[in-house]
Amino acid sequence: GDSVTQMEGPVTLSEEAFLTINCTYTATGYPSLFWYVQYPGEGLQLLLKATKADDKGSNKGFEATYRKETTSFHLEKGSVQVSDSAVYFCALHNSGGYQKVTFGTGTKLQVIP
Amino acid sequence: NAGVMQNPRHLVRRRGQEARLRCSPMKGHSHVYWYRQLPEEGLKFMVYLQKENIIDESGMPKERFSAEFPKEGPSILRIQQVVRGDSAAYFCASSPDRGPYGYTFGSGTRLTVV
Repeated sequence: GDSVTQMEGPVTLSEEAFLTINCTYTATGYPSLFWYVQYPGEGLQLLLKATKADDKGSNKGFEATYRKETTSFHLEKGSVQVSDSAVYFCALHNSGGYQKVTFGTGTKLQVIP
Repeated sequence: NAGVMQNPRHLVRRRGQEARLRCSPMKGHSHVYWYRQLPEEGLKFMVYLQKENIIDESGMPKERFSAEFPKEGPSILRIQQVVRGDSAAYFCASSPDRGPYGYTFGSGTRLTVV
């Protein structure tokens, strides 16, 4: 079945540091890929998405590129802020079926001033 | 256009009681999904419903848990005879008809069983 593997956290960075959170996936067909963010005490919010190979999703300074050859969708940001502290979830939706989305286990990011 | 509305936001139940969690999807969304998030863990799929139909309940425990999405009104996740291990955050998400769309999530219901 479909699965998503994320790097384990927590990840602690200083403000303005470069961020990479690794995500790889296993899926049949041609899935769409997503990053969601969860701030403390809140639900998940869609951060960015990519629907086909080589697409780059971007939002709020975050980017991720859909790499079919390496089955990866790594999240990057050039300069993190304290307000980016949250849990980040990589996810996929497989167009071969209905709209069930499969999530990774989440990576907690803490940014310190 | 209100987002996905979940209530209550917090729910405390004693062991053996029933818990009812409600979810109203976004306007125009006919697909509803329930996920459970245990402390320090990721989201685990529970059930996927369309109006009046359960499409996939492969993530639902076989006993004590049930879900519905009636023709009128919100989706309901019902947990009977709650136990301490049911304490978790329960999230509902909705989506429009088939397409490469991500979900829209509600803010969740945090269930505490005492």
